[in-house]
Amino acid sequence: KAGVTQTPRYLIKTRGQQVTLSCSPISGHRSVSWYQQTPGQGLQFLFEYFSETQRNKGNFPGRFSGRQFSNSRSEMNVSTLELGDSALYLCASTARDRTITGELFFGEGSRLTVL
Amino acid sequence: AQKITQTQPGMFVQEKEAVTLDCTYDTSDPSYGLFWYKQPSSGEMIFLIYQGSYDQQNATEGRYSLNFQKARKSANLVISASQLGDSAMYFCAMRSNTGNQFYFGTGTSLTVIP
Repeated sequence: KAGVTQTPRYLIKTRGQQVTLSCSPISGHRSVSWYQQTPGQGLQFLFEYFSETQRNKGNFPGRFSGRQFSNSRSEMNVSTLELGDSALYLCASTARDRTITGELFFGEGSRLTVL
Repeated sequence: AQKITQTQPGMFVQEKEAVTLDCTYDTSDPSYGLFWYKQPSSGEMIFLIYQGSYDQQNATEGRYSLNFQKARKSANLVISASQLGDSAMYFCAMRSNTGNQFYFGTGTSLTVIP
């Protein structure tokens, strides 16, 4: 069974540009979450999608957006990039919906550098 | 609100020794799940072990065990017989049944010394 796949793995952008990151969850997983990881802030929750609906959103500005397609693949977009957006963006999927069990399965992440 | 606290930014352990990584949590939810993840320098988060709030026994997975003390709201990870490959960041996390959001601690960097 293929794991969570994220593309691209590395990318470099300049301030003011926008970026789109892609995530393919494990087959059959309908919940996809995104996290931003920085050395100073740890893992911070961005948003969660389930069956193409955003069900939960973290405390990030509106420049951060996402969507989920009918095949559960998800994309996140960051517009008007700032230096502080440099981070590892992790996508995760889970098979278990709204239970206390069921771990998150993570992709290898997309490492974004903003110059 | 849910909160995970990991108070050890960095830890060192001698190869073949055991090490305990601390995790405390705060939640008002009556049921919740506690997880530990390992993150090597490559970046991928690897699931290690799970403990449910209603589980009576501490979870074990190979060399990993979780010391769950519900009254103290702690869920410490114990790694026995440390190996050089255990050098990584370790994150404690929690989820409730109200959604699929996980709450992570700030992590502990573990270095295994030969």
